[in-house]
Amino acid sequence: DTAVSQTPKYLVTQMGNDKSIKCEQNLGHDTMYWYKQDSKKFLKIMFSYNNKELIINETVPNRFSPKSPDKAHLNLHINSLELGDSAVYFCASSQVGYPTDTQYFGPGTRLTVL
Amino acid sequence: GNSVTQMEGPVTLSEEAFLTINCTYTATGYPSLFWYVQYPGEGLQLLLKATKADDKGSNKGFEATYRKETTSFHLEKGSVQVSDSAVYFCAGGMNRDDKIIFGKGTRLHILP
Repeated sequence: DTAVSQTPKYLVTQMGNDKSIKCEQNLGHDTMYWYKQDSKKFLKIMFSYNNKELIINETVPNRFSPKSPDKAHLNLHINSLELGDSAVYFCASSQVGYPTDTQYFGPGTRLTVL
Repeated sequence: GNSVTQMEGPVTLSEEAFLTINCTYTATGYPSLFWYVQYPGEGLQLLLKATKADDKGSNKGFEATYRKETTSFHLEKGSVQVSDSAVYFCAGGMNRDDKIIFGKGTRLHILP
């Protein structure tokens, strides 16, 4: 039983395309996150949602749009992909959403933009 | 703003060596402190945590003690194994803030 799952695991696409990454958690948590990890392993938060409501929206281009249809799902849609979007994207969840909560991460989606 | 400073890697050790990875959190106040580990090709997972001063977190032979005077949370293991090769992230968070802060990660290589 995977706690936080993401699809797809790998995504290879051309510049200019639009793509989506899906995330689901079966932990009953209220808060979900998207992180971007670059090639140096630096982890940067992008968004967080609590019960479908946007809480954190870091300085991320408008081409990135998160959508949370319910509190168990948080999807990430990216328009007009650029080379610099190549990275590993991690979804995570936590029980309430406090910074003191433990976060549970998905396995990641490696996005390669050609 | 708040920040987490951790030892830069990569760190390369032989099997059975003693490991220390330093971590310091800079902020006004006392956060909960965490160590997360990322094995190759996987997401991060919690290794250990401490929520207040003098707490010790421990798991899988790793330990870290929350030192209040320096807001530090150094990760230690007495005898590392090849399977400990991974990237280790220190992190901290306070409820009055909006998000947890991660360090830049330390890559650890253990040689057989």
